[in-house]
Amino acid sequence: AQSVSQHNHHVILSEAASLELGCNYSYGGTVNLFWYVQYPGQHLQLLLKYFSGDPLVKGIKGFEAEFIKSKFSFNLRKPSVQWSDTAEYFCAVNANQAGTALIFGKGTTLSVSS
Amino acid sequence: GAVVSQHPSWVICKSGTSVKIECRSLDFQATTMFWYRQFPKQSLMLMATSNEGSKATYEQGVEKDKFLINHASLTLSTLTVTSAHPEDSSFYICSAGSGRGDEQFFGPGTRLTVL
Repeated sequence: AQSVSQHNHHVILSEAASLELGCNYSYGGTVNLFWYVQYPGQHLQLLLKYFSGDPLVKGIKGFEAEFIKSKFSFNLRKPSVQWSDTAEYFCAVNANQAGTALIFGKGTTLSVSS
Repeated sequence: GAVVSQHPSWVICKSGTSVKIECRSLDFQATTMFWYRQFPKQSLMLMATSNEGSKATYEQGVEKDKFLINHASLTLSTLTVTSAHPEDSSFYICSAGSGRGDEQFFGPGTRLTVL
C-alpha cells in the first residue's frame, strides 16, 4: 500500500533561515508527487508538483522540491523563509493513473519567528 | 484555474440528524471526486473515491452506510453524514480530478460540529 512519511512534525525557524522538509513515500509504481500548504484557517493550496521530467521542481513563493527516485524522496526546500510561511505543509502522492486519490503525509508545522 | 466549491462551509447540528455536504467543480468536469476528513492538527485521511454515475469506493474503516456519497453529475458530488454523532465532528474536504491522473483541486472544506 502507498504511504507517505514526513520526518519533521514541527519545525521552528527564524526569518531568513533555510528550510528543508523531508518527505519519503512508499509505492512500487510510477507516482505523482505534491506539496500542499495550509495556512491557519485556510484551505489547502498547491505549492508544487512533480509528474515527470526535471526532478527539481520549482513552485510558488520561492519553494522548490527535488525528486530523488533512488531514495523515494521528495524534500521541500526554501532558501530563506519569511514569517508569512508559517503554516502546515503536507506531502502527498498518488499513482500516475487516472482517478487515483492522494495519500497525504501527517504534515509538518512550520513556525517562523520574525 | 480550476475551482472547487463546497457548501456549506460550516454546519452545526444535533446528534442523530443527517447533514448533506455538496462539492461542486465550477469550471471543469470532474470524472472523479474524493472525500477526505481532517481532524484538528492532523493530516487528511481519504474516506472515499466517487466516480460519476457509479457507486463510491470507500476506504477501509469508513462506514458506507453512515457516509453516503452520491456523484450524480460531472460537477456535483454530495456527502451525507447520516445520524451524526459528536465523534463525526470534523473538517470534511473534497477534491476533484479531471480524470487524467494528475493534479486534483481541493475545495475549501466544511466544518461539521455535532452537538
